[in-house]
Amino acid sequence: NAGVTQTPKFRVLKTGQSMTLLCAQDMNHEYMYWYRQDPGMGLRLIHYSVGEGTTAKGEVPDGYNVSRLKKQNFLLGLESAAPSQTSVYFCASRGDRAQPQHFGDGTRLSIL
Amino acid sequence: LAKTTQPISMDSYEGQEVNITCSHNNIATNDYITWYQQFPSQGPRFIIQGYKTKVTNEVASLFIPADRKSSTLSLPRVSLSDTAVYYCLVGGVGTGGFKTIFGAGTRLFVKA
Repeated sequence: NAGVTQTPKFRVLKTGQSMTLLCAQDMNHEYMYWYRQDPGMGLRLIHYSVGEGTTAKGEVPDGYNVSRLKKQNFLLGLESAAPSQTSVYFCASRGDRAQPQHFGDGTRLSIL
Repeated sequence: LAKTTQPISMDSYEGQEVNITCSHNNIATNDYITWYQQFPSQGPRFIIQGYKTKVTNEVASLFIPADRKSSTLSLPRVSLSDTAVYYCLVGGVGTGGFKTIFGAGTRLFVKA
């Protein structure tokens, strides 16, 4: 089973460029999440979705946008990348509120 | 959302039992307690989840006292491969928006 797949795995951007990170899950999960993890720190929630067509802000939403047009996909967009957004981004999904989250392997993003 | 407090780091030796305690004084009635393990360059991996009393699976046990203001993850007979960061999370069920908050985690070092 693929579980949660994140694309791409690595990316280097220049300041001001835009890009979209893709998260795909094949478990028919309702809930999906985007986190960022900076060196030596825990994960911080950026945005999340409780179902197709819905999104909501997490702890650190500024500078990011998300979309959930299809149940299996959750996209994270950076409209104008900044060096402060250099981080590892993790996507997660879960089936219902009582279930744990399943995580992808992360996207390592560097912004110069 | 309930905030969690864990030790920053712990050391152990192979074959020993390791207990990591998490404090969550503001846990809500409907909150579950979930523990994750994270290795370098990987996404967090679910270990165990509980609501009250004791839960045991093939890799760990979770002890939750009656007041639920703390929980203890117990790893029996650790090996070198258990060296990782362990996160305690509280929330999910009944939380408006289904947010989860990761703390800094506990870095466990297992020595030979």
